[in-house]
Amino acid sequence: DTEVTQTPKHLVMGMTNKKSLKCEQHMGHRAMYWYKQKAKKPPELMFVYSYEKLSINESVPSRFSPECPNSSLLNLHLHALQPEDSALYLCASSQVGGAADAFFGQGTRLTVV
Amino acid sequence: AQTVTQSQPEMSVQEAETVTLSCTYDTSESNYYLFWYKQPPSRQMILVIRQEAYKQQNATENRFSVNFQKAAKSFSLKISDSQLGDTAMYFCAFMNPSGTYKYIFGTGTRLKVLA
Repeated sequence: DTEVTQTPKHLVMGMTNKKSLKCEQHMGHRAMYWYKQKAKKPPELMFVYSYEKLSINESVPSRFSPECPNSSLLNLHLHALQPEDSALYLCASSQVGGAADAFFGQGTRLTVV
Repeated sequence: AQTVTQSQPEMSVQEAETVTLSCTYDTSESNYYLFWYKQPPSRQMILVIRQEAYKQQNATENRFSVNFQKAAKSFSLKISDSQLGDTAMYFCAFMNPSGTYKYIFGTGTRLKVLA
């Protein structure tokens, strides 16, 4: 199984809503990532978890709150987002050590209205 | 800080022809990995090929091969026998494995394969 599964695939939320994005992998990877991607731009790193501990926060606003409840799951909790937060949110996972090829999910297309 | 540059925003190639996508990077590290990822309209990022900096031999995966010039900090992707399914955005990426596993992506090259 080389899949990273993200749910939902599409999400429309109001600026006062609270929602969560979910990411799951069963490859035994111990590093998991959240990226944000705007149209026609490269992915921008938001967070990295290594062994279920947050190792990188790229100065992301606190309205984005990551959570890694176990080695297979990664969540991104969203609250009070702005329209400019509308983007494709990609989850990825990799081994820790060695080549560390990152495997990506299909993303969640988020629209904030 | 590491940077990755892709100077070709868009390219096109005829089906069955060969195309080369360019990537340069800057780093002071000696140990790192370089990747090419493909992102078709389905939007999933798919790993195409990986090159370890300590290996002199260029990586090859079927129709995809790289020309890795470490001294010049150049990492180009050659696609042979181009197929319509190769139409996608291609991102070059750099990763330093000693610590953070942070991938740094270039700005991408949009490749269109023409029938």
